[in-house]
Amino acid sequence: AQKITQTQPGMFVQEKEAVTLDCTYDTSDQSYGLFWYKQPSSGEMIFLIYQGSYDEQNATEGRYSLNFQKARKSANLVISASQLGDSAMYFCAMSRYNFNKFYFGSGTKLNVKP
Amino acid sequence: DAGVIQSPRHEVTEMGQEVTLRCKPISGHNSLFWYRQTMMRGLELLIYFNNNVPIDDSGMPEDRFSAKMPNASFSTLKIQPSEPRDSAVYFCASSLEGLWRGEGNTEAFFGQGTRLTVV
Repeated sequence: AQKITQTQPGMFVQEKEAVTLDCTYDTSDQSYGLFWYKQPSSGEMIFLIYQGSYDEQNATEGRYSLNFQKARKSANLVISASQLGDSAMYFCAMSRYNFNKFYFGSGTKLNVKP
Repeated sequence: DAGVIQSPRHEVTEMGQEVTLRCKPISGHNSLFWYRQTMMRGLELLIYFNNNVPIDDSGMPEDRFSAKMPNASFSTLKIQPSEPRDSAVYFCASSLEGLWRGEGNTEAFFGQGTRLTVV
């Protein structure tokens, strides 16, 4: 069975500082994808970044980067230069290449302080 | 593309009534998911369709819940009879599953959700 673990229920960060949100996963698959989503208070789920298990380079999308450590089965999200608008719930998710079922973690609530 | 479209956005119903939630996935996507989100249980996958066929419904809580996907552009989630503990936000999401190893899958695109309140 696949499992996603986010151990930080809530985090605070000062505006303009960087923050790392932790995500570990458990799978016996060789091929899989890792995703991060943002859910602001308005409720929609916004896709942020994707990392394939065979990708050698860490994924980056603007201020978001994914610190992928395959041997440790971790896929941490790094947000650089935090902004007030980054305050939201963040979910880590995984899917298997031959079975497109998305597994989500329990989420981390990030609060950015001015 | 308009994205994943869900209706209604909000639904308030009385216990015992039938509730039908609707979803139009993104055109060309071949996978569709129904999720339920609550404070207590987080995001739960209820059912997953691929090419209109239910692949995994192990997350459907009980027989009161049923889901259909009669064609590639429409899906419904029905609760009959509804109970107060069904109150939650229900999300529909779609994605494009890769056809072979290495192609991978796209991310899941979520609809705006339906906030269901059963009183």
